[in-house]
Amino acid sequence: GAGVSQSPRYKVTKRGQDVALRCDPISGHVSLYWYRQALGQGPEFLTYFNYEAQQDKSGLPNDRFSAERPEGSISTLTIQRTEQRDSAMYRCASSFLASEVGAGELFFGEGSRLTVL
Amino acid sequence: KNQVEQSPQSLIILEGKNCTLQCNYTVSPFSNLRWYKQDTGRGPVSLTIMTFSENTKSNGRYTATLDADTKQSSLHITASQLSDSASYICVVTVLMDSNYQLIWGAGTKLIIKP
Repeated sequence: GAGVSQSPRYKVTKRGQDVALRCDPISGHVSLYWYRQALGQGPEFLTYFNYEAQQDKSGLPNDRFSAERPEGSISTLTIQRTEQRDSAMYRCASSFLASEVGAGELFFGEGSRLTVL
Repeated sequence: KNQVEQSPQSLIILEGKNCTLQCNYTVSPFSNLRWYKQDTGRGPVSLTIMTFSENTKSNGRYTATLDADTKQSSLHITASQLSDSASYICVVTVLMDSNYQLIWGAGTKLIIKP
């Protein structure tokens, strides 16, 4: 597609429910990043992929968070048993370059705002 | 520890005035430094990318400078416009374990008043 697409744009859920956030990167982009951003703060790294391989998941807060990119394109960030502290804007970004080649320009999606009640 | 610190945290200036935002980093080994502009509610958009051999780069009214010796960068905005109101984020790329990783600053919130 023309840009990075994320869905849903807004998600309100009750504590304890599972949520899945989707990211559709720019066609042909090799690397895909997930970030979480609190209001007034810079993006907080969660995890990233080169193609379908998850390269680094050190930023995932705990084992309730997981991500996959099975075919090297669309990625899903899943949060199980959501808690109120999970409420945030979750942003996805993609880059044409793989991370071992260089850090290419990142293109961000509009984000998915998660609210856990 | 790899860190990127930005100052000021927030800044208010009058339309038409110039301003300079600062970024200090303790990152090794350094690969490149980027400045992003993030409008409220939108994703960050890249303004400039500089490698260690570049000490200045311009993008319209935005000029970024880099001093790799002192590990400092600045973003200068000339003749500010209301549309410049946004957060400006400094990001430094570091090579770790054969992969390039991005270290993000917290950003400077800039408000332009008419």
